[in-house]
Amino acid sequence: DAKTTQPPSMDCAEGRAANLPCNHSTISGNEYVYWYRQIHSQGPQYIIHGLKNNETNEMASLIITEDRKSSTLILPHATLRDTAVYYCIVRVVDSGSRLTFGEGTQLTVNP
Amino acid sequence: GAVVSQHPSWVICKSGTSVKIECRSLDFQATTMFWYRQFPKQSLMLMATSNEGSKATYEQGVEKDKFLINHASLTLSTLTVTSAHPEDSSFYICSARGVAKNIQYFGAGTRLSVL
Repeated sequence: DAKTTQPPSMDCAEGRAANLPCNHSTISGNEYVYWYRQIHSQGPQYIIHGLKNNETNEMASLIITEDRKSSTLILPHATLRDTAVYYCIVRVVDSGSRLTFGEGTQLTVNP
Repeated sequence: GAVVSQHPSWVICKSGTSVKIECRSLDFQATTMFWYRQFPKQSLMLMATSNEGSKATYEQGVEKDKFLINHASLTLSTLTVTSAHPEDSSFYICSARGVAKNIQYFGAGTRLSVL
């Protein structure tokens, strides 16, 4: 699976949009971009995933650049409960693949 | 999203004893289950992958005789830490993926403390 690069930490004001970047310049054509987050002392929580089109769900939006070498996770109105480590992972969707976690981005939402 | 239940959430045991952790997929059939370990201030490390009815595939450096994995049904996998020692103290997290293969869901984790 392709390697991803994320900033180690980011801050965001409560109520503002949080934009978390991820670089995956070696991504292959059949690899999806996944985002998970881990709130302290809990298991990771699935947020969203996409292949090449932008995606939106009730939690977030995923913007993937046209060349697919980078993406941005957007939390439109961050709350204190969104403080967590956010992981960007690229993965082929097949029976043999699995999620490999990097260091992620520690997002701190401030009041 | 789908629910993965992990039990117990916290366990303390004496050195030399064995500990079993259960992982259940509550509302979907998990054809593949995964076990991760996470040490303080570190990221998740994959320990092993198991497919229902098959032997688990362990990552390099993970002792298969120490970390016994059973995936006997489509909704249950267990991890047994045999002869636990203080260095096995960690946060163990299970994960499950269904037939669709596109999303992996995670349990809440089990914090193991070996005295």
